[in-house]
Amino acid sequence: DTAVSQTPKYLVTQMGNDKSIKCEQNLGHDTMYWYKQDSKKFLKIMFSYNNKELIINETVPNRFSPKSPDKAHLNLQINSLELGDSAVYFCASSIIGRGELFFGEGSRLTVL
Amino acid sequence: AQSVTQPDIHITVSEGASLELRCNYSYGATPYLFWYVQSPGQGLQLLLKYFSGDTLVQGIKGFEAEFKRSQSSFNLRKPSVHWSDAAEYFCAVVDTGGGNKLTFGTGTQLKVEL
Repeated sequence: DTAVSQTPKYLVTQMGNDKSIKCEQNLGHDTMYWYKQDSKKFLKIMFSYNNKELIINETVPNRFSPKSPDKAHLNLQINSLELGDSAVYFCASSIIGRGELFFGEGSRLTVL
Repeated sequence: AQSVTQPDIHITVSEGASLELRCNYSYGATPYLFWYVQSPGQGLQLLLKYFSGDTLVQGIKGFEAEFKRSQSSFNLRKPSVHWSDAAEYFCAVVDTGGGNKLTFGTGTQLKVEL
């Protein structure tokens, strides 16, 4: 029973396309996150939602749109894909104020 | 803003040898600190965490870390490394007042020689 699950695990697409990644957590947490891991393994936060409210919105192109339909789900829509968007995108969840984040296995996006 | 520095990009140790991975943090208040491990092609797994109290914390897989406020450090140690420990290790600090934002170091890649 996976705690934080992401789909799809792999995406390969052409420049200019639109794609989405879905994330679900069954831990009962109230906060969810999207992190981007680049080719050098550097992890950077993109967004965070607490009880469906956006609370962290780092400097990310507006081609990236997070959506949280409920506190167990967080999706990431990426439009007009560019080569530089190629990365691994990690979803995570936590209880706010408790610090510890639980991560999904990642979604590897390759833009050709 | 909080930050984490991992000065070693790569470390190679022999199986059975001891290991210490360095981590220095910058944070105004008492930090919440973490070590995560990422095996190739996998997500991040929490090894251990420090919130308060005893400055020597034990984690999974035989790892431990020591919080030293005077040195702003939270180094990860293991007395005897196994080949399966080869992975990427990340130190992180959380800003609990800033939306629970977890800031990672740049990671240390551990290679284990048999």
